[in-house]
Amino acid sequence: EAGVTQSPRYAVLQEGQAVSFWCDPISGHDTLYWYQQPRDQGPQLLVYFRDEAVIDNSQLPSDRFSAVRPKGTNSTLKIQSAKQGDTATYLCASSPGGDTQYFGPGTRLLVL
Amino acid sequence: AQKVTQTQTSISVVEKTTVTMDCVYETRDSSYFLFWYKQTASGEIVFLIRQDSYKKENATVGHYSLNFQKPKSSIGLIITATQIEDSAVYFCAMENYNQGKLIFGQGTKLSIKP
Repeated sequence: EAGVTQSPRYAVLQEGQAVSFWCDPISGHDTLYWYQQPRDQGPQLLVYFRDEAVIDNSQLPSDRFSAVRPKGTNSTLKIQSAKQGDTATYLCASSPGGDTQYFGPGTRLLVL
Repeated sequence: AQKVTQTQTSISVVEKTTVTMDCVYETRDSSYFLFWYKQTASGEIVFLIRQDSYKKENATVGHYSLNFQKPKSSIGLIITATQIEDSAVYFCAMENYNQGKLIFGQGTKLSIKP
């Protein structure tokens, strides 16, 4: 069974640029999560979906971050006008019905 | 408030010995789930083991086991017969029932020496 896949694996931006991250969850997993992991810290939830519906986006900086999961399968997380403080690893995870979460390899973002 | 605390920043042990990593949590919910994940040098986060709050028996998977002390809000991870490849950062995490999100501790870096 294939795990969670993410792309790109790395991204380097100048401040003010936009970037999108893509996630393909494990087949059959209805719940998908996006986490942000700053260096030397634990992951912190940004947003999560059950099928195509947003369940919790309370930690998503709504002025510059957006996330969609239009068909309840793949998902895209977008940062508009990135800031140096957005430098982190962005992790996607999925679970079947809110059970144990399984993580993808992450996207390492560096904003210069 | 929900919080997970790992006070050990780093631990170093010799291969084939047993190591214990500490974790304490705070929650107002009576039903919750506790997890341990490890993050390898490549950045991959791997699920290791889980304890459901209503279960009294400590979970065990392979050479990982848990020391669940509910009155102390503590969930320690025990790794027996450690191997070099166990070197990683270990995260403790909590999920309150029906809330979906994992709350992670700060992580403990484990180094296994030959």
